[in-house]
Amino acid sequence: ETGVTQTPRHLVMGMTNKKSLKCEQHLGHNAMYWYKQSAKKPLELMFVYNFKEQTENNSVPSRFSPECPNSSHLFLHLHTLQPEDSALYLCASSQMRGAANTIYFGEGSWLTVV
Amino acid sequence: AQKITQTQPGMFVQEKEAVTLDCTYDTSDQSYGLFWYKQPSSGEMIFLIYQGSYDEQNATEGRYSLNFQKARKSANLVISASQLGDSAMYFCAMREGRGSQGNLIFGKGTKLSVKP
Repeated sequence: ETGVTQTPRHLVMGMTNKKSLKCEQHLGHNAMYWYKQSAKKPLELMFVYNFKEQTENNSVPSRFSPECPNSSHLFLHLHTLQPEDSALYLCASSQMRGAANTIYFGEGSWLTVV
Repeated sequence: AQKITQTQPGMFVQEKEAVTLDCTYDTSDQSYGLFWYKQPSSGEMIFLIYQGSYDEQNATEGRYSLNFQKARKSANLVISASQLGDSAMYFCAMREGRGSQGNLIFGKGTKLSVKP
């Protein structure tokens, strides 16, 4: 059983739709992350939240909108996406942001934009 | 320049044999952490093992061990007694103490296939 839970696991959406990905961590961590994994590309960091405050936005288009209401929950709101946004979106958490802190990932949300 | 290099896109190993997955890294920080993750086809990224830059002993976790050679900047993963369930993508990653603000930097991964 994973300490980081993501829903939905699979999502198909049209380019005009609005949907959200949800992430919840049960590890008592203070930092949460969204990563994007496209085919044949290394994982790309999208957003970082530390104690509910966004500390990093890695030049992500505004059609992706994160929300972190508390240290345990993280959302990724999606609107007017493009087919190239189809990817695996991974949520993760860690105790803190230092080098020794392990980042734990959820099971991922497979997104297909049609 | 790539921070994490995994030179083996794909590897095959016979069941019950050991296999080494290569990873080299590049950093000017003195404090950093090295991680290995396993990603089955289902997508979940599973943490396997961690090695700190100041750790003198190689990390071990069950059948996983990390061959850490600091001077060569290499952190190879050794899986002993391979099992069919070990077939997956394996990612080496590094977290620096400064610079990238402690964010995890991933290599491109190695696809391991275990043959029965």
